[in-house]
Amino acid sequence: NAGVTQTPKFRILKIGQSMTLQCTQDMNHNYMYWYRQDPGMGLKLIYYSVGAGITDKGEVPNGYNVSRSTTEDFPLRLELAAPSQTSVYFCASSLRDRGHYNEQFFGPGTRLTVL
Amino acid sequence: LAKTTQPISMDSYEGQEVNITCSHNNIATNDYITWYQQFPSQGPRFIIQGYKTKVTNEVASLFIPADRKSSTLSLPRVSLSDTAVYYCLVGESSNYQLIWGAGTKLIIKP
Repeated sequence: NAGVTQTPKFRILKIGQSMTLQCTQDMNHNYMYWYRQDPGMGLKLIYYSVGAGITDKGEVPNGYNVSRSTTEDFPLRLELAAPSQTSVYFCASSLRDRGHYNEQFFGPGTRLTVL
Repeated sequence: LAKTTQPISMDSYEGQEVNITCSHNNIATNDYITWYQQFPSQGPRFIIQGYKTKVTNEVASLFIPADRKSSTLSLPRVSLSDTAVYYCLVGESSNYQLIWGAGTKLIIKP
């Protein structure tokens, strides 16, 4: 199993540009998450999904959009990039059962710089 | 909502036992506590998860007192490779919220 894969690894955007960060998992996990991590800081949840076709906002959703058309894929869309979105973005997945959160598996991250 | 609080940093020496405590007030009855480890330029990696009392696996132990307002991650006999940032996470099963701590930077010295 490849686990959670993310593309691209690095990207530089100009202010106002848009892009999609790709995330794929091959573990048949129902839950998927997008986080951002600013330098020297902890993780902040942007969006999450409990299954195909179902998404919901996390702590910092403004400026982002997501979709979940399949179990495997959970792309994150940035519209009108701003310098405040410069960060490292992590995608994660987990299998939630028995009413509680199980181990999250994280991807390697995408380092995004907006200039 | 629960709020998690961890020490910003700690240091220790090789071969010592290290204990990192996370405070989580207002934790709900069904919430679990999970700890992750993160190395620079990598995503976090699961260490251990628990609900109450004590949980032990091959790399760590997790102690949760009866009131569940805190939890302590115990790393036995640390080595230089345990230098990393450690995060406490409270999963709120009632409203699908995930409350991450700000992380504790652990530095192990030779």
